[in-house]
Amino acid sequence: SQTIHQWPATLVQPVGSPLSLECTVEGTSNPNLYWYRQAAGRGLQLLFYSVGIGQISSEVPQNLSASRPQDRQFILSSKKLLLSDSGFYLCAWAPGLADSTDTQYFGPGTRLTVL
Amino acid sequence: GNSVTQMEGPVTLSEEAFLTINCTYTATGYPSLFWYVQYPGEGLQLLLKATKADDKGSNKGFEATYRKETTSFHLEKGSVQVSDSAVYFCALSDQAEGGSEKLVFGKGTKLTVNP
Repeated sequence: SQTIHQWPATLVQPVGSPLSLECTVEGTSNPNLYWYRQAAGRGLQLLFYSVGIGQISSEVPQNLSASRPQDRQFILSSKKLLLSDSGFYLCAWAPGLADSTDTQYFGPGTRLTVL
Repeated sequence: GNSVTQMEGPVTLSEEAFLTINCTYTATGYPSLFWYVQYPGEGLQLLLKATKADDKGSNKGFEATYRKETTSFHLEKGSVQVSDSAVYFCALSDQAEGGSEKLVFGKGTKLTVNP
């Protein structure tokens, strides 16, 4: 069966520091991968998605970036964090085009607090 | 673009009460519709889905019917339990670049069930 992991689970970082959040998927190949942010009291905002290695699409301009160095690894980064980057970051996967379905499966999330 | 509107919370019910959480959508074409549930401190879990008009999704006593004529996908449960306390998100599928799918979420409705 497929599983999705995120780490760290929680993170407290000062303003201006760098960020790296990691997401990995097991038990599937060539998945579509997604990063969402859930700010306090708000819904989910899609940040990035990827349909393959090195292919990243951005939904919202911001100081965050994403990379997909391996098929089942998706990384969210920032060079300098802002207070507004605080939130709950969720990674999700969906089967790729060969087994296309529109259902997404979410990881446990990373709670980021920027002070 | 496609969008989802769900009833604002919070919703507070007593155990064994009837639950309805309203969700309406705006979309071109015929998207799939979803309900996800988020328990405190966790990621999102797929609760149920429906892929075409008049389909009924069901799981764990929850039901929702895809109503094309009213563009709605209301979530219902006949008798809620304390363990149903969570945030519920309505979502629809949308086309992203490169042929992949993405999800558009409502803002979420927080449900609290008291014993």
